[in-house]
Amino acid sequence: SQTIHQWPATLVQPVGSPLSLECTVEGTSNPNLYWYRQAAGRGLQLLFYSVGIGQISSEVPQNLSASRPQDRQFILSSKKLLLSDSGFYLCAWSSGGTGELFFGEGSRLTVL
Amino acid sequence: DQQVKQNSPSLSVQEGRISILNCDYTNSMFDYFLWYKKYPAEGPTFLISISSIKDKNEDGRFTVFLNKSAKHLSLHIVPSQPGDSAVYFCAASELGSGYALNFGKGTSLLVTP
Repeated sequence: SQTIHQWPATLVQPVGSPLSLECTVEGTSNPNLYWYRQAAGRGLQLLFYSVGIGQISSEVPQNLSASRPQDRQFILSSKKLLLSDSGFYLCAWSSGGTGELFFGEGSRLTVL
Repeated sequence: DQQVKQNSPSLSVQEGRISILNCDYTNSMFDYFLWYKKYPAEGPTFLISISSIKDKNEDGRFTVFLNKSAKHLSLHIVPSQPGDSAVYFCAASELGSGYALNFGKGTSLLVTP
């Protein structure tokens, strides 16, 4: 069966510090991968999606970036965090066919 | 531009009664709709879906209704249980696009004993 894991689960970082959130998927190959953010009052906002290694599409211009170094690994990064980057970050995968997304456990980021 | 809208941020229902969560969309190209349930500090979990060729899909206590002409869908939970208390997200996509779901902002459902 397929599983998705992301870490760390919680993170408290000062403004201006870097960020790295990691996500891995097991039990499937060539998944579509996504990073979403849930911020207060904003629902689930798509940040990045990837249909293959090295292929990243950005939905929202910001100081975040994403990379997919391996087929089942997706990384969300920032060189300098802003206060507005605080939120609950969710990694997800799909097979690309049915449209159903499977989410990771989420990472709570607080920028102080 | 919010293409999927959930205009009720919260809903409170008594245990045993029906919960009705509503969702509207603006993109007529959407042909697949899903509902996700989310508990605090956890990732959303898939609840139920419907394709545009249907107007109703039922799974146990959960039924989703789709009105394509009105670009409206709703989730009915009957009977509501305290464990149903969570945030419910409506989502829509174009089948085969494979890229992303468009989510609403969510409705927080509270089922009281």
